[in-house]
Amino acid sequence: RKEVEQDPGPFNVPEGATVAFNCTYSNSASQSFFWYRQDCRKEPKLLMSVYSSGNEDGRFTAQLNRASQYISLLIRDSKLSDSATYLCVVNGAGGGNKLTFGTGTQLKVEL
Amino acid sequence: NAGVTQTPKFQVLKTGQSMTLQCAQDMNHEYMSWYRQDPGMGLRLIHYSVGAGITDQGEVPNGYNVSRSTTEDFPLRLLSAAPSQTSVYFCASSNRDSHWDEQFFGPGTRLTVL
Repeated sequence: RKEVEQDPGPFNVPEGATVAFNCTYSNSASQSFFWYRQDCRKEPKLLMSVYSSGNEDGRFTAQLNRASQYISLLIRDSKLSDSATYLCVVNGAGGGNKLTFGTGTQLKVEL
Repeated sequence: NAGVTQTPKFQVLKTGQSMTLQCAQDMNHEYMSWYRQDPGMGLRLIHYSVGAGITDQGEVPNGYNVSRSTTEDFPLRLLSAAPSQTSVYFCASSNRDSHWDEQFFGPGTRLTVL
């Protein structure tokens, strides 16, 4: 089993739709969790951290379920500019204090 | 602030050649890392540094060397390039308070080894 696993997609959604991504991690001792966004042929950038209580930033909501070892990202009212690859990142997934990156989920928002 | 800068943006090498990928940051971050990104795989940590003079191996260190003589610079050396090292290389930095939290990435170096 991969340490951090994501559905690669692509998720093709119309503008204005709500879309959700899940990510599972294998190490129950993992310490912290993040979603990064990566545009085509660009560097990853932090989108948001994921807290146990869940957190929201505008149209984006992140949730953590430690019991089931997954995190989720919900995007409401999708915009064309949301088209990108979303990387699930876990600190401690591979043991130790290091970041493990998922392979990413590709989102395409269409007119 | 320029943030994290990397040079070159693109490079083609022949098998056996050596080269150095440059990385610099102007945010006074103590922590710097090198990752490689390959299709179908997540970013993988090559080497990292927690401060000037201190480096350590990541997940895939073989074939690469690093040094950290200053806070700003963290070059990655390929000793004898192999086709398996064809990849996109990202340098990242973060500050003491968010060591393994928010990573600031450079724009990447696309390396092809023939």
